[in-house]
Amino acid sequence: EIVLTQSPGILSLSPGERATLSCRASQSISYNYLAWYQQKPGQGPRLLIYDASSRATDIPDRFSGSGSGTDFTLTISRLEPEDFAVYHCQQYGRTPITFGQGTRLETK
Amino acid sequence: QLQLQESGPGLVKPSETLSLTCTVSGASIRSGSVYWGWIRQTPGKGLEWIATMYYTGTTYINPSLQSRVTMSLDTSKNQFSLNVNSVTAADTAVYYCVRPRGVTTWYFDSWGRGALVTVSS
Repeated sequence: EIVLTQSPGILSLSPGERATLSCRASQSISYNYLAWYQQKPGQGPRLLIYDASSRATDIPDRFSGSGSGTDFTLTISRLEPEDFAVYHCQQYGRTPITFGQGTRLETK
Repeated sequence: QLQLQESGPGLVKPSETLSLTCTVSGASIRSGSVYWGWIRQTPGKGLEWIATMYYTGTTYINPSLQSRVTMSLDTSKNQFSLNVNSVTAADTAVYYCVRPRGVTTWYFDSWGRGALVTVSS
């Protein structure tokens, strides 16, 4: 199965700053089938990005995804207070579908 | 707007069967080309895809759980269900019902709030 490694594990930033989150795959992901999710305490994850760079419905344009092959990035251009959460990547290029272990974005 | 709500026992004994139901509102589970699924989350392993079912009943299951998992649809109640048999403490997790998007592999655009299931005697 494809193993996804997210870095950093914890990212400490201030509102207004730019956040760059990384997701690296153990094998190339077919068709760049990679998604990103945001999760807040007590809630299910919310889809942000699919197909590596397509924003999901109602997701603000400060969220963007990029990358291909084995290296993918989620960028939040200017952090808003509500963006501090855990972020997960997920590959669906090959079954079984797998997730990264998450990056916690916390307020500095 | 699509809403998913998990329900079921919060405590299951080892070796017994874990059963959860997802109630769907805002869409019919028999709509054409629609999939439904389950994902679980533990502090140790993170998010784990369990299974995806097509509206016709065809089911795709994570090979690591293949022998213990079944899914079913109840169209009269607009619900779908998950059974995991022979559970152990390793099956303790928050279980989410989800709507998968895709054809032969999926991302997930709607999630329930999750149901905590603890396996303990």
